[in-house]
Amino acid sequence: GAVVSQHPSRVICKSGTSVKIECRSLDFQATTMFWYRQFPKKSLMLMATSNEGSKATYEQGVEKDKFLINHASLTLSTLTVTSAHPEDSSFYICSASFQNYGYTFGSGTRLTVV
Amino acid sequence: TQLLEQSPQFLSIQEGENLTVYCNSSSVFSSLQWYRQEPGEGPVLLVTVVTGGEVKKLKRLTFQFGDARKDSSLHITAAQPGDTGLYLCAGEGADGLTFGKGTHLIIQP
Repeated sequence: GAVVSQHPSRVICKSGTSVKIECRSLDFQATTMFWYRQFPKKSLMLMATSNEGSKATYEQGVEKDKFLINHASLTLSTLTVTSAHPEDSSFYICSASFQNYGYTFGSGTRLTVV
Repeated sequence: TQLLEQSPQFLSIQEGENLTVYCNSSSVFSSLQWYRQEPGEGPVLLVTVVTGGEVKKLKRLTFQFGDARKDSSLHITAAQPGDTGLYLCAGEGADGLTFGKGTHLIIQP
């Protein structure tokens, strides 16, 4: 079946630094990748949608300069949280889709900004 | 913007009881998916329903898609502690998936 690998699973960084999260589709080419943010005991909130080779489409209220998304290939998308602050601490999840594979989710990244 | 109302948001029941989780919307979806998520993990797909009126069974879980493809339900029979988790419904539309707020289910032994 389709597998999406997300790394790192946990990261702690200092306030003001940037953190990159990777999302890879291992056995299929992902036409579209999605990035979600999830607060404790809450549902997934879509942050942005990215298509390979084009700029990401951000949801309303999501700062594109703060959450940089790069989808340079059909198997890799990255989310960079720039100048991270404690309020950016959250659980970030990626998802990839391709034709009949539907949507496959990564295992998530727990970001803690101290 | 398509919205999905999921209820209940929290449910704690005893092992062996039955329960139903509902997912309702005013919008029509091309498909509706149910996921289960454990703490610290990504959502795992349980089932996708596509056809209005469709019923799918996965062991003790029964999923139903409304005739108008706007609502769905998840029924668990004889719940077990291993069923504990966050259950999410998600409707597929032109812009991708829209998630419900989730149902936190706790099955007490």
